[in-house]
Amino acid sequence: DQQVKQNSPSLSVQEGRISILNCDYTNSMFDYFLWYKKYPAEGPTFLISISSIKDKNEDGRFTVFLNKSAKHLSLHIVPSQPGDSAVYFCAASANMKGAQKLVFGQGTRLTINP
Amino acid sequence: DGGITQSPKYLFRKEGQNVTLSCEQNLNHDAMYWYRQDPGQGLRLIYYSQIVNDFQKGDIAEGYSVSREKKESFPLTVTSAQKNPTAFYLCASSMGGWLQPQHFGDGTRLSIL
Repeated sequence: DQQVKQNSPSLSVQEGRISILNCDYTNSMFDYFLWYKKYPAEGPTFLISISSIKDKNEDGRFTVFLNKSAKHLSLHIVPSQPGDSAVYFCAASANMKGAQKLVFGQGTRLTINP
Repeated sequence: DGGITQSPKYLFRKEGQNVTLSCEQNLNHDAMYWYRQDPGQGLRLIYYSQIVNDFQKGDIAEGYSVSREKKESFPLTVTSAQKNPTAFYLCASSMGGWLQPQHFGDGTRLSIL
């Protein structure tokens, strides 16, 4: 039972264009959502997050959108750069007495082409 | 530099042996976590600890054990009871509480000989 799903295993985008990565979730108790970037043989790096009281959060080239009614979030990267090529994971958690148990999607491999 | 250190980066284990993975953080974070990643999959939570001397099972705790004797350290032992231990293990920490992102170490890859 996958509570967080990234249905696109891979995505290829031209340098300078917008990259849009998508994530769906099923648990309506989730109230905090995060995006991580991961290079091979390294740990994930935190990129950006959003709480359920917002529908958009922006940080530089990265914007996360949350659609609670559709249980869908997306990460927009604009403009895309070669260094953005990596695997991107979305994660979600429900606030349970301060414990933050993250549930991860399977990841989407983003390739930025010159 | 503040961060999370996992050691060793690569670890080999013989069948039937226990092995302990180290995780140390100097971020003064209260909460620490262990995850496992298998090829083509997301991370799955093994154990987590919100304060010293307390820890909770995650989704896949069977065959693993942890301790939290110091705030900065959260070692994970992979026991011989873990039937499929070959994986990439990641340790994370956070301030604890809501809206606090977890930050990860660079992982330990465990392989069975």
